[in-house]
Amino acid sequence: DAGITQSPRHKVTETGTPVTLRCHQTENHRYMYWYRQDPGHGLRLIHYSYGVKDTDKGEVSDGYSVSRSKTEDFLLTLESATSSQTSVYFCAISESAGGWETQYFGPGTRLLVL
Amino acid sequence: KQEVTQIPAALSVPEGENLVLNCSFTDSAIYNLQWFRQDPGKGLTSLLLIQSSQREQTSGRLNASLDKSSGRSTLYIAASQPGDSATYLCAVRLYAGGTSYGKLTFGQGTILTVHP
Repeated sequence: DAGITQSPRHKVTETGTPVTLRCHQTENHRYMYWYRQDPGHGLRLIHYSYGVKDTDKGEVSDGYSVSRSKTEDFLLTLESATSSQTSVYFCAISESAGGWETQYFGPGTRLLVL
Repeated sequence: KQEVTQIPAALSVPEGENLVLNCSFTDSAIYNLQWFRQDPGKGLTSLLLIQSSQREQTSGRLNASLDKSSGRSTLYIAASQPGDSATYLCAVRLYAGGTSYGKLTFGQGTILTVHP
């Protein structure tokens, strides 16, 4: 699992409340990603990071912000949760070996916004 | 914009059958293509990675092929088993430098059921 953990694993919250999801990795990977997975849409990239304090938007970044103050942690924040953000959120890292780059995923966080 | 399509959306087969899952993509300028497996309620597990310069990769009963010019990849599963039941996702990475390193575009997946 490339040493990736996500917390919390499940969360129920109310519309309008802020929510922060945490991705933690133990193997000093430079690149980290946040995806959401929804029926009919597959996995879509929200934000990604290519180093400490270096982040960029993915294809569905509206309503989300991220921060990476240290290599091992990548935080995803929903400033004011909406029902459309009910989803399963996956964190991923990129690992290169022998010139080949592979992505590994965390176990996911199920978020329900009421 | 890269679009990835997987056909069929769902497949049910008897145990022991050989099967093929299809993945197509619209932009052939890919860096690599990756096949993943996802069990219900779980994360994604990488199965095979094919670089753009390669034609196929094999791992056990799995064989993935890539035809970049036609924008297609197939995942062949030999002698299917009930334990193969899962959702199979393909994802492509465009060839781009700089900070776009590693971004994947996913298909919607094929739900495979192998019944005894």
